[in-house]
Amino acid sequence: GNSVTQMEGPVTLSEEAFLTINCTYTATGYPSLFWYVQYPGEGLQLLLKATKADDKGSNKGFEATYRKETTSFHLEKGSVQVSDSAVYFCALSDRRYGNNRLAFGKGNQVVVIP
Amino acid sequence: DGGITQSPKYLFRKEGQNVTLSCEQNLNHDAMYWYRQDPGQGLRLIYYSQIVNDFQKGDIAEGYSVSREKKESFPLTVTSAQKNPTAFYLCASRLDSNTGELFFGEGSRLTVL
Repeated sequence: GNSVTQMEGPVTLSEEAFLTINCTYTATGYPSLFWYVQYPGEGLQLLLKATKADDKGSNKGFEATYRKETTSFHLEKGSVQVSDSAVYFCALSDRRYGNNRLAFGKGNQVVVIP
Repeated sequence: DGGITQSPKYLFRKEGQNVTLSCEQNLNHDAMYWYRQDPGQGLRLIYYSQIVNDFQKGDIAEGYSVSREKKESFPLTVTSAQKNPTAFYLCASRLDSNTGELFFGEGSRLTVL
């Protein structure tokens, strides 16, 4: 079935470092791909999205490119800030049920140290 | 401002009691969803509703029930049949069942004592 896999474990890095969080997916057809962010004690917010192959989503300095050939949607940011500390979820629209469900990865905790 | 409101934010319950979590949206969205979040497990879908008076089970519906009598409301009841109900519960909505972006509430944390 359709699924999303994120790299294991939390990510700890220093302020102004480069961030990459890997996301790969398995899907039939042509899913839309998303990154959501969850700040402590809050719900999820959409960070960026891409709806077709080679699209690049971007927001708040974060970027991700929809790579159909490698079935990936890795999240990157060139210079992180302490305020970027959060949990990041990769997701895809699940077309098994007429595109009305999203499948989420397990999330990655990102901790940015001053 | 438009958005999704979940209440209560924190809830404590004794074993054997049912509890209902509220979810209200004023975004005029047709589709609404309930997810459960546990540490290290991401989000798991409990129930979803594509339209008023209709809902479907998600991946972990056992021990839960929902209703969708009004477009703006999608309450979740955690029943005593749910074996491990302590979790963070997230409600979400989107414009319709074919539009990708989900909007989330701030969540309700349920603790069973």
